Amino acid sequence: EAGVVQSPRYKIIEKKQPVAFWCNPISGHNTLYWYLQNLGQGPELLIRYENEEAVDDSQLPKDRFSAERLKGVDSTLKIQPAELGDSAVYLCASSRGGQYNEQFFGPGTRLTVL
Amino acid sequence: AQTVTQSQPEMSVQEAETVTLSCTYDTSESDYYLFWYKQPPSRQMILVIRQEAYKQQNATENRFSVNFQKAAKSFSLKISDSQLGDAAMYFCAYRFEGGGADGLTFGKGTHLIIQP
Repeated sequence: EAGVVQSPRYKIIEKKQPVAFWCNPISGHNTLYWYLQNLGQGPELLIRYENEEAVDDSQLPKDRFSAERLKGVDSTLKIQPAELGDSAVYLCASSRGGQYNEQFFGPGTRLTVL
Repeated sequence: AQTVTQSQPEMSVQEAETVTLSCTYDTSESDYYLFWYKQPPSRQMILVIRQEAYKQQNATENRFSVNFQKAAKSFSLKISDSQLGDAAMYFCAYRFEGGGADGLTFGKGTHLIIQP
């Protein structure tokens, strides 16, 4: 079974530019998560999707961040405009649901804002 | 709000020896899940072991085992017969499913170094 796929792996942009990250979850996984991981820290949840619905976006900075999962499969996370403090690793995870609900993580996208 | 604390930023152990990583957490819930994740330099988070709070028996997965102390809100990871491939960041994580919440709350991590 293929794992969670994320692209790009690395992205370098100038501040105030827009940027987008893409995630393809494991087939059959209805729940998708986006996490932010700052250097030297653990990941922090940004948003959780159940199929197409964003059921928990309380930690997403909505002034500049947006996300979508239009067909309940792939998801895109966007930042516009990017700020220096957005430099971090953006992780995507997916789960099937159920009792154990193990989350499988992608390799992440490392964003550097100059 | 739930918090997870890992008080050891870095640990070092000789190959083949045993090491214990500490984790404490704060929650007012009685039913929840605890996890240890491993993150090698490739950044891919890998689940090492999980524990359901309602289970008194400590989880074990091959060389990895936990010491779950619910009253003390402590959840340590023991790695036996350490191997070079165990070198990574280790994150303790908490999950409570309820009230619309279902994400993981992570600690800051412990960097594990394996000395050959």
